[in-house]
Amino acid sequence: QVQLVESGGGLVKPGGSLRLSCAASGFIFSDYYMSWIRQAPGKGLEWVSYISSSGSTIYYADSVKGRFTISRDNAKNSLYLQMNSLRAEDTAVYYCARIHSSGWSFDYWGQGTLVTVSS
Amino acid sequence: QSALTQPASVSGSPGQSITISCTGTRSDVGGYNYVSWYQQHPGKAPKLMICEVSNRPSGVSNRFSGSKSGNTASLTISGLQAEDEADYYCSSYTSGSTLVFGTGTKVTVL
Repeated sequence: QVQLVESGGGLVKPGGSLRLSCAASGFIFSDYYMSWIRQAPGKGLEWVSYISSSGSTIYYADSVKGRFTISRDNAKNSLYLQMNSLRAEDTAVYYCARIHSSGWSFDYWGQGTLVTVSS
Repeated sequence: QSALTQPASVSGSPGQSITISCTGTRSDVGGYNYVSWYQQHPGKAPKLMICEVSNRPSGVSNRFSGSKSGNTASLTISGLQAEDEADYYCSSYTSGSTLVFGTGTKVTVL
């Protein structure tokens, strides 16, 4: 069965960096676009970034452009999010999600990892 | 990249039908048949309920249906049940090749 397991969250000071990982299993990882989505405490969902199956196409939300970098390692079935220059407003649960092969929907989600940016 | 507009809350009695709207622009909802809907229970990850405006993934109850007219998409839950009480979010692909979520709707079963 499809499984997505995020890791790497934690407490970081403003201006700091953190790298999130998402380990995928149960499907052919290299066939799928993947995405990061976040949810601030008590707030709604916010799309963060996606990466194509080969890694050649990448898009970011304006709120993270220039600070976050999405990447993947198809040999390791893993997705990553490098987060730099973190701000208090980046505090959220970060989910990795698989993008359905057609239709731009998120058909499988991980359980999420909490990132807290605070001094 | 403005969020799509959803009502903050919708409520209904068991057995009733409710509809949640999701309003965007020609650059997102109105321009593509790539609208999806997600259900999220407290403390849980979202679950895909509807994709490509009106398609139900395998395993999703046929009490959930989706539609679109112009720049507004809708999710209808018929035969409302206690387990349907949750937050619901729409999402859409956009002309900027990005994705955007709705503001979210809290569904309460009275």
